[in-house]
Amino acid sequence: GQNIDQPTEMTATEGAIVQINCTYQTSGFNGLFWYQQHAGEAPTFLSYNVLDGLEEKGRFSSFLSRSKGYSYLLLKELQMKDSASYLCAVRTSGTYKYIFGTGTRLKVLA
Amino acid sequence: DADVTQTPRNRITKTGKRIMLECSQTKGHDRMYWYRQDPGLGLRLIYYSFDVKDINKGEISDGYSVSRQAQAKFSLSLESAIPNQTALYFCATQGRRGTDTQYFGPGTRLTVL
Repeated sequence: GQNIDQPTEMTATEGAIVQINCTYQTSGFNGLFWYQQHAGEAPTFLSYNVLDGLEEKGRFSSFLSRSKGYSYLLLKELQMKDSASYLCAVRTSGTYKYIFGTGTRLKVLA
Repeated sequence: DADVTQTPRNRITKTGKRIMLECSQTKGHDRMYWYRQDPGLGLRLIYYSFDVKDINKGEISDGYSVSRQAQAKFSLSLESAIPNQTALYFCATQGRRGTDTQYFGPGTRLTVL
């Protein structure tokens, strides 16, 4: 079957660093995506990994290990506006379908 | 102007009614998707289309149908709405390049009483 696991909830303090993990088992792999979603709003794209390693974009970084079926999203210098859900999604090869995890709800405390 | 729009944004209806949710995009993308989102279940794929003549079922297509009227328009219909179809519905598009991501519309909150 196809499965993506990520923690349901995390809490961190403003200014800190937080790492959100994602493990996946899918039939085929054509990229891993991270999205941010504020409550009641549309998901917005944060990062994309298709090769192993780290991709950095400002305060956000994402890591991928294809052999381990593992990714993480690293958020640095947390701000209150980073309080949101973070969705991990795998795009399956050939079909361009996306499988989404259930999301990790991050609360940033002052 | 938004690149991906959905109408209506909110809808309350009764069991048994037929409902259509519409999605339009100005991104020129061929690929379009319909998802529903429920608390604790994440985004689940209902239908997807890679061009006007290509329609595919997703993981939860029962009770839904779609129409791809043009490259820019993709509609989702609930033929006879039931309460467990109460959810937040998102349309998304994607371009052809492998590096492209999905772009989501603002969502339609549907309540079936």
